[in-house]
Amino acid sequence: AQTVTQSQPEMSVQEAETVTLSCTYDTSESDYYLFWYKQPPSRQMILVIRQEAYKQQNATENRFSVNFQKAAKSFSLKISDSQLGDAAMYFCAYRGSGNTPLVFGKGTRLSVIA
Amino acid sequence: SQTIHQWPATLVQPVGSPLSLECTVEGTSNPNLYWYRQAAGRGLQLLFYSVGIGQISSEVPQNLSASRPQDRQFILSSKKLLLSDSGFYLCAWSSRGGNSPLHFGNGTRLTVT
Repeated sequence: AQTVTQSQPEMSVQEAETVTLSCTYDTSESDYYLFWYKQPPSRQMILVIRQEAYKQQNATENRFSVNFQKAAKSFSLKISDSQLGDAAMYFCAYRGSGNTPLVFGKGTRLSVIA
Repeated sequence: SQTIHQWPATLVQPVGSPLSLECTVEGTSNPNLYWYRQAAGRGLQLLFYSVGIGQISSEVPQNLSASRPQDRQFILSSKKLLLSDSGFYLCAWSSRGGNSPLHFGNGTRLTVT
């Protein structure tokens, strides 16, 4: 079974600085999809960014970008120019190529210091 | 555009009472539907998912059940709640295909007393 590991339960970053959240996963599939979700204090789950495993180019969405290392099975999230509104739980998630559910990591709680 | 509605937002129920949480999706047809539970400060645990009417897959054996009576309706139920059923319940939908992300409802905070 696929597993997703987020080794950093908590992280903090100074406002306007850059922070990287780590995620590794275990799978025997070659075709799959990876996601980062943000959960602010409201507990609404918000999609931040997604990456297709067959794409070598790292996905970017404004201040958010990923470092996807397929051989290492690593999928880290970089947040640039951190803002107070970035404070949230961040979840890494994996989905296989079939019609299967997402598998989530345990999350990283990010604090942003003014 | 697609929207997902989940209710109620908050629920306090005594031990042994029944439970019914409802989730509906608008603006799409034949979605995949999911129920997740999140314990305080923890990750998301998949409880049930459905790829079609009447088709339910259970990931974790427990005191809960799910039903999909209509294409865009997903219900989470229990006949008798336990204290351990307390948590934050999230409904979600996705299109078919691995590249489709999950879109979540606003969640239900359930407290069993």
